Amino acid sequence: EVVMTQSPATLSVSPGERATLSCRASQSVSGNLAWYQLKPGQAPRLLIYGATTRATGIPARFSGIVSGTEFTLTISSLQSEDFAVYYCQQYNHWPPAFGPGTKVDFK
Amino acid sequence: EVRLVESGGGLIQPGGFLRLSCAASGFTISDKYMSWIRRAPGKGLEWVSLISSGGRTKYADSVKGRCIISRDNSKNTLSLEIISLRVEDTATYYCAREIYYGTGTSNPFDVWGQGTMVTVSS
Repeated sequence: EVVMTQSPATLSVSPGERATLSCRASQSVSGNLAWYQLKPGQAPRLLIYGATTRATGIPARFSGIVSGTEFTLTISSLQSEDFAVYYCQQYNHWPPAFGPGTKVDFK
Repeated sequence: EVRLVESGGGLIQPGGFLRLSCAASGFTISDKYMSWIRRAPGKGLEWVSLISSGGRTKYADSVKGRCIISRDNSKNTLSLEIISLRVEDTATYYCAREIYYGTGTSNPFDVWGQGTMVTVSS
């Protein structure tokens, strides 16, 4: 099974700053990587799929980058509503697997 | 509006039985691949089970043999049953819809419910 790792576990950021979240797969996932945002009491939200494609309605400040088995989610200018936990997920190999998450909190 | 609403969570004793439901609106669940995904306290997301549009089912090793996923097409509702509950089954359970992308063995999940909390404790 593919093991996903994420770093850092917690990222403290001030509003307006850039946030950079990393995700790594234990083997190649061929760009079949998604990012999700989770807030307490809300439905998780798909942000990025195909490693770099923003889902419908996702603001342009969210972007995804891939380099081999290393994936990056960048939030260019953090807004107050962006404080949340972010998960990556590979869907290239069975079973689908998620990373342990990165919590973005207020600095 | 496309929406998923889970229900059925609560406090259950170890060894007990769990039945969760997920009511869909705005789309037909039998046209889609649907999954249950859970998040244990302090842990990450874990895929649990899937039912395809054709009715094929799959399960994570952690619940295999204890779990049944099903759907009621007339009610547009997805269900998950787990028997012999363990403390480690404690989690928020989400139902989610796959968006077909076609490049991997599965797909991203584009619609999720808000989740229902299950606590397994004596």
